[in-house]
Amino acid sequence: DTEVTQTPKHLVMGMTNKKSLKCEQHMGHRAMYWYKQKAKKPPELMFVYSYEKLSINESVPSRFSPECPNSSLLNLHLHALQPEDSALYLCASSPSRSHTKDGYTFGSGTRLTVV
Amino acid sequence: SQQGEEDPQALSIQEGENATMNCSYKTSINNLQWYRQNSGRGLVHLILIRSNEREKHSGRLRVTLDTSKKSSSLLITASRAADTASYFCATDESSSNTGKLIFGQGTTLQVKP
Repeated sequence: DTEVTQTPKHLVMGMTNKKSLKCEQHMGHRAMYWYKQKAKKPPELMFVYSYEKLSINESVPSRFSPECPNSSLLNLHLHALQPEDSALYLCASSPSRSHTKDGYTFGSGTRLTVV
Repeated sequence: SQQGEEDPQALSIQEGENATMNCSYKTSINNLQWYRQNSGRGLVHLILIRSNEREKHSGRLRVTLDTSKKSSSLLITASRAADTASYFCATDESSSNTGKLIFGQGTTLQVKP
């Protein structure tokens, strides 16, 4: 299995809702990442997990809460989002933080719309 | 912060022609990577070039790296309509082993059949 699977593919949520994005990989990768991408812009790093521990938080608002329950799974919990948070949310993985020589493997993303 | 600048922002060519896109960056790097993104989809890793390499090939792709100028180029030869996508360079900074990739602004390539 050489894929990163993200669910759901599309999500529409209200500003008072709580929802979660899920990311799963079975490649044995120990580093996992959340990126946010607005239309016609490059991906921007949000969080880095290394061996299930949060190692980088790029000053992301607390309405985004990441979680790594095990080495294969990464969640992003969403609460009280704003319309400007609407974007494509991408998950990626690599063998480790320092082992990126084969590049990241990205999921196909969750298209989030906040109404 | 995004350290990569790419040019051109958009490129339109005919099938069979070559496409060249350029990337500049600001800090010292471990490696530079190129990714392709089809509209609204995830990114696909194309090729990685290490800081001690100057040129690398993979199929129809050729990447060069000039660390003295902090720049890289991606050449796609004999382009196909299926190459239509956005292309991003991404740098892995050498100042720390954080795994943090910083993406350039991207080049949108359209290959006309």
